[in-house]
Amino acid sequence: EAQVTQNPRYLITVTGKKLTVTCSQNMNHEYMSWYRQDPGLGLRQIYYSMNVEVTDKGDVPEGYKVSRKEKRNFPLILESPSPNQTSLYFCASRRSQHGQGSHEQYFGPGTRLTVT
Amino acid sequence: EDKVVQSPLSLVVHEGDTVTLNCSYEVTNFRSLLWYKQEKKAPTFLFMLTSSGIEKKSGRLSSILDKKELFSILNITATQTGDSAVYLCAPSWGYQKVTFGTGTKLQVIP
Repeated sequence: EAQVTQNPRYLITVTGKKLTVTCSQNMNHEYMSWYRQDPGLGLRQIYYSMNVEVTDKGDVPEGYKVSRKEKRNFPLILESPSPNQTSLYFCASRRSQHGQGSHEQYFGPGTRLTVT
Repeated sequence: EDKVVQSPLSLVVHEGDTVTLNCSYEVTNFRSLLWYKQEKKAPTFLFMLTSSGIEKKSGRLSSILDKKELFSILNITATQTGDSAVYLCAPSWGYQKVTFGTGTKLQVIP
């Protein structure tokens, strides 16, 4: 089954304790992206990756890091989480080639993070 | 600055009603506009629109894009309670960035 998986699905942590949220896709997609979703603000892009070893900042990258060492995985790293990073996080992937359906993003199930 | 505005922010309708959701955008290097439906989980894809004036249809849902006036509409006819969700529009620009609107929350009551 084609899917994007994220782990963990729920996480409560304390300020300053480094954490990683994993994301993996089995569709051989080149493009992967991380979003956070907050009430009233919608989905905002954190980082994206066009392919292995190619990453770039989205609209709200501060406080986050990513890496893309393998095509299928795109972990999100919070080196020193703060309460304002409490949010619902989504990973997504899609093909990079232009064409029919090329911009459809497949979303993971989401990770609800609470930083106290 | 790229901007996406969806309206209305929320609406409540009765089953069987027809609704029209609006999305206006200002993005540079526009490529396409996508509509998503989000229930209490991840967004799911509805439509991708790239050309003006060509209506996309899927059952009771349809959507059209006006690239000159920079807006899109999503129509839902004969609404059902299962249509209750937040509907998101997302213009994409370049091949990398996608800007989501804050969504329209639709509630369909029996």
